[in-house]
Amino acid sequence: GAGVSQSPSNKVTEKGKDVELRCDPISGHTALYWYRQSLGQGLEFLIYFQGNSAPDKSGLPSDRFSAERTGGSVSTLTIQRTQQEDSAVYLCASSLSTSGGGETQYFGPGTRLLVL
Amino acid sequence: GQSLEQPSEVTAVEGAIVQINCTYQTSGFYGLSWYQQHDGGAPTFLSYNALDGLEETGRFSSFLSRSDSYGYLLLQELQMKDSASYFCAVNNAGNMLTFGGGTRLMVKP
Repeated sequence: GAGVSQSPSNKVTEKGKDVELRCDPISGHTALYWYRQSLGQGLEFLIYFQGNSAPDKSGLPSDRFSAERTGGSVSTLTIQRTQQEDSAVYLCASSLSTSGGGETQYFGPGTRLLVL
Repeated sequence: GQSLEQPSEVTAVEGAIVQINCTYQTSGFYGLSWYQQHDGGAPTFLSYNALDGLEETGRFSSFLSRSDSYGYLLLQELQMKDSASYFCAVNNAGNMLTFGGGTRLMVKP
């Protein structure tokens, strides 16, 4: 089947605006992860979902960031009142489960966010 | 906190062998993963070590020593297409990944 898809692929917004990023995981994958990658840097963990619940939100940079997942499938990451430092590539990944560790995470192509 | 250290850049010639090292400080360690990312692309899984020792997958091998908090990725018979960034990542509870800063590998003819 299809891999992880994300939309939009690119987003340019003005400082102070809200943005919503979408992730469609691989069908049947119960675990979903959001990461952020600044240019030339490693991936920064933001949040993960097991089903519809988010056991760990500790990676969210501020209260302007929120995420939800409904129906155990699609997830949206919302950034309110965007700032220039939010500019990055936002990557979503999914895996079959979260149990035991070592489950391969399959990444989507990312959303490139530029805040002017 | 958690931290991973890996070299920022490595250069090698086609056909050679290269080793990318990774040291980590972490809690809740389940294993060490390696991901490859080409410029502009998404990270793709290469290997995972939960136990000490060497895991081999074709031209790529990965090693882990839990007592030393150390691992490495070994790439043999380098090809031009292997030019990419390579990330080590610690698997934590919930299969969360904490990534290192990445090693940019340049393969020259």
